Amino acid sequence: AQTVTQSQPEMSVQEAETVTLSCTYDTSENNYYLFWYKQPPSRQMILVIRQEAYKQQNATENRFSVNFQKAAKSFSLKISDSQLGDTAMYFCASMTGVGNQFYFGTGTSLTVIP
Amino acid sequence: KAGVTQTPRYLIKTRGQQVTLSCSPISGHRSVSWYQQTPGQGLQFLFEYFSETQRNKGNFPGRFSGRQFSNSRSEMNVSTLELGDSALYLCASSGTPLGSGSYEQYFGPGTRLTVT
Repeated sequence: AQTVTQSQPEMSVQEAETVTLSCTYDTSENNYYLFWYKQPPSRQMILVIRQEAYKQQNATENRFSVNFQKAAKSFSLKISDSQLGDTAMYFCASMTGVGNQFYFGTGTSLTVIP
Repeated sequence: KAGVTQTPRYLIKTRGQQVTLSCSPISGHRSVSWYQQTPGQGLQFLFEYFSETQRNKGNFPGRFSGRQFSNSRSEMNVSTLELGDSALYLCASSGTPLGSGSYEQYFGPGTRLTVT
């Protein structure tokens, strides 16, 4: 089984500043996928960004980017120019190439302060 | 394209009763996964169905069961409800290939179950 660890239960950031959320994972698979999901107070889980483990280039989606360190099994999320709408619970998740079972971290609650 | 829908959104049941939750995936998606989300335990995987077959199962007691229909809609059932079953139950569907047959998941809004 895979494990995903998010060591920061809560974080806060000033509006327009940059914040980095940490995630580490443990897997013995060579082929796997990593994701960051966002769950705003309305509770709808939304995919923020994804990374295929076989790709060395870090994924980027507008203000969201990842720092994928495969050897260290680290997958952090950087949010630039933080906005009030970024306030949410952020979950890191992993999935292997076999089957469709996701493994989620315990989440980081991010608050953007105006 | 319509998103994942879950019904009902809120439910209050009494200990010992049973409950059935429903999930309609995104059109064309064949995989449906169920998760239990609680403040103390985070997101815990219940099971995943693909083409009407349970493909993966999490570590939950047999009181938790599910099924998937030919139109990919899925239901999960919890029998003999316990107070600890109070949670947000999330359904996720997938179907967009990422490369080697794996798929990213799209979540529904969840069903908030309260057991009294």
